Amino acid sequence: DTAVSQTPKYLVTQMGNDKSIKCEQNLGHDTMYWYKQDSKKFLKIMFSYNNKELIINETVPNRFSPKSPDKAHLNLHINSLELGDSAVYFCASSARLAGVTDTQYFGPGTRLTVL
Amino acid sequence: AQSVTQLGSHVSVSEGALVLLRCNYSSSVPPYLFWYVQYPNQGLQLLLKYTSAATLVKGINGFEAEFKKSETSFHLTKPSAHMSDAAEYFCAVSEGQGAQKLVFGQGTRLTINP
Repeated sequence: DTAVSQTPKYLVTQMGNDKSIKCEQNLGHDTMYWYKQDSKKFLKIMFSYNNKELIINETVPNRFSPKSPDKAHLNLHINSLELGDSAVYFCASSARLAGVTDTQYFGPGTRLTVL
Repeated sequence: AQSVTQLGSHVSVSEGALVLLRCNYSSSVPPYLFWYVQYPNQGLQLLLKYTSAATLVKGINGFEAEFKKSETSFHLTKPSAHMSDAAEYFCAVSEGQGAQKLVFGQGTRLTINP
């Protein structure tokens, strides 16, 4: 009965490769997010989708491309991986209640290591 | 733009002692404020949230936080620390209405001494 799930949990890859991280939520939420947590534990939002529409796009290299096939899924594709992309990536989702975005619920994270 | 400052990247208390984790925010509009906890190698779990209702907010695991507008603070407290409280704690403020765009503090690692 996992609420927000991510695959894979760990991802180790070489520089220059292309990789994807998948996220699924079974909470019926219509907004999903991707966050990056760096080695100092700092968390920063990258993207947000509402009903498959991109609504937040922070200053992220265009090597990162989110894709939302439906409102329960938000995948993150990364091209030409660089050492600096090593981090933990968290997916989150939230509902809208009375027109206001409610609490964000986070997945377990995907630890990406670029060698 | 909104921001959050957590005073103290590392707090250490004895088991049974008071836990106080400090959070100050900057916001030009009435904020929504959150505390999340991250246990080792896990995702973030919501402890509690303030959404312009009662200023004293009670959360899970015996934690509570008080919103003080005059001090722009939202400190997290627990009367008696337990070993299981050892974790990383994050304060966050939302930009705009609701929790759509969370801005996180740098986190405070809480260590509990036996």
